[in-house]
Amino acid sequence: QTVVTQEPSFSVSPGGTVTLTCGLSSGSVSTSYFPSWLQQTPGQAPRTLIYSTNTRSSGVPDRFSGSILGNKAALTITGAQADDECDYYCVLYMGSGVWVFGGGTKLTVL
Amino acid sequence: QVQLQESGPGLVKPSETLSLTCTVSGGSISDYHWSWIRQPPGRGLEWIGYVYYNGDTKYNPSLKSRVTISIDTSKDQFSLKVTSVTAADTAVYYCARYDKWLRDFDYWGQGTLVSVSS
Repeated sequence: QTVVTQEPSFSVSPGGTVTLTCGLSSGSVSTSYFPSWLQQTPGQAPRTLIYSTNTRSSGVPDRFSGSILGNKAALTITGAQADDECDYYCVLYMGSGVWVFGGGTKLTVL
Repeated sequence: QVQLQESGPGLVKPSETLSLTCTVSGGSISDYHWSWIRQPPGRGLEWIGYVYYNGDTKYNPSLKSRVTISIDTSKDQFSLKVTSVTAADTAVYYCARYDKWLRDFDYWGQGTLVSVSS
């Protein structure tokens, strides 16, 4: 089964910009995979930040943006804030009604 | 506002069957995919499968042999069964709605921890 890859951890300075990526163990991510990005704080259910590659969910600040960079989906956070420190997951539609989550990225803001 | 609520036993013995129900309120159960997703303690998310409102199902190939998801539209509920559980099935289980038009898991339950232990 294809593995969806994410950086296990990433660090960003307050006010800085960070780009998290979501790739495939084999092949390239395109818009046809309808990548979504979810944010999860400890003890809470995930919530969608970005869906269909680059559409922000209602109420999500515009400092969160999604794109395709090269052969991966990407989540860019500009002007990082302390409460952005949490886990981020991507999920890809693999076709035939199957979705696969990435392993998640733990973002530290320091 | 759509709300999802998981319910079911928090402890299941090894080799037995895990059963959970998700109750949907505040919106129609029709025309959406209803998924189960789990998260072992300290680990990432895993998509288990979905049931469409018409009863069609699709499962994660790695779990397919042990999983059944069903729906009861008259009760606005859908359910998950996982047979022959082991400690590896210990996880927080989430139910979630997938909007096929937006391509988004747009509503989630709060999650319920199921531990597999004798």
